[in-house]
Amino acid sequence: RKEVEQDPGPFNVPEGATVAFNCTYSNSASQSFFWYRQDCRKEPKLLMSVYSSGNEDGRFTAQLNRASQYISLLIRDSKLSDSATYLCVVSLSGGYNKLIFGAGTRLAVHP
Amino acid sequence: DVKVTQSSRYLVKRTGEKVFLECVQDMDHENMFWYRQDPGLGLRLIYFSYDVKMKEKGDIPEGYSVSREKKERFSLILESASTNQTSMYLCASSTNGWAGGNTIYFGEGSWLTVV
Repeated sequence: RKEVEQDPGPFNVPEGATVAFNCTYSNSASQSFFWYRQDCRKEPKLLMSVYSSGNEDGRFTAQLNRASQYISLLIRDSKLSDSATYLCVVSLSGGYNKLIFGAGTRLAVHP
Repeated sequence: DVKVTQSSRYLVKRTGEKVFLECVQDMDHENMFWYRQDPGLGLRLIYFSYDVKMKEKGDIPEGYSVSREKKERFSLILESASTNQTSMYLCASSTNGWAGGNTIYFGEGSWLTVV
């Protein structure tokens, strides 16, 4: 079983749609949680951290359920520029910023 | 701005060749990492280093070695390249302290093809 699992997609949605991505992680010792965005043939870049109480950044909302070991990302009012791969990432306890990456969910927003 | 620079963006090498991938960061970060990324598998950690001359194996170290002689530079070495090492290689660096993703920075990636 992969340590971090995501639906690979692709999710094809029209502009203005709301889309949700889910992610599950297997290690209950996971300490920190993130969503990264990766454009085609580019490096991953941090989109947002995920906090236990849930957090929002503009059109993006992240949720964490530690009991179910489940993370979600909601994108409202999708833009063409949101087209990318979204990586779910967890950090294990123990320092050195060891991050475990999901394989990513691809989003394609069309006009 | 933080800069992680991978000197080679696209390489084509022959099976059995020795390959060096170089990475330099300009933020005096303690930690440096090498990942590879393959379709459907996500990023997998090859090696990391938390100090000069220190190295730790990641999840898939076989067929690779690393060198960190200076704090700013972390090199990945493929002693004898094989076709299953065709991949995109990502270097990253981070500071110590809270294991937060907001302190990890990636280079632009090196696309290696082994023929």
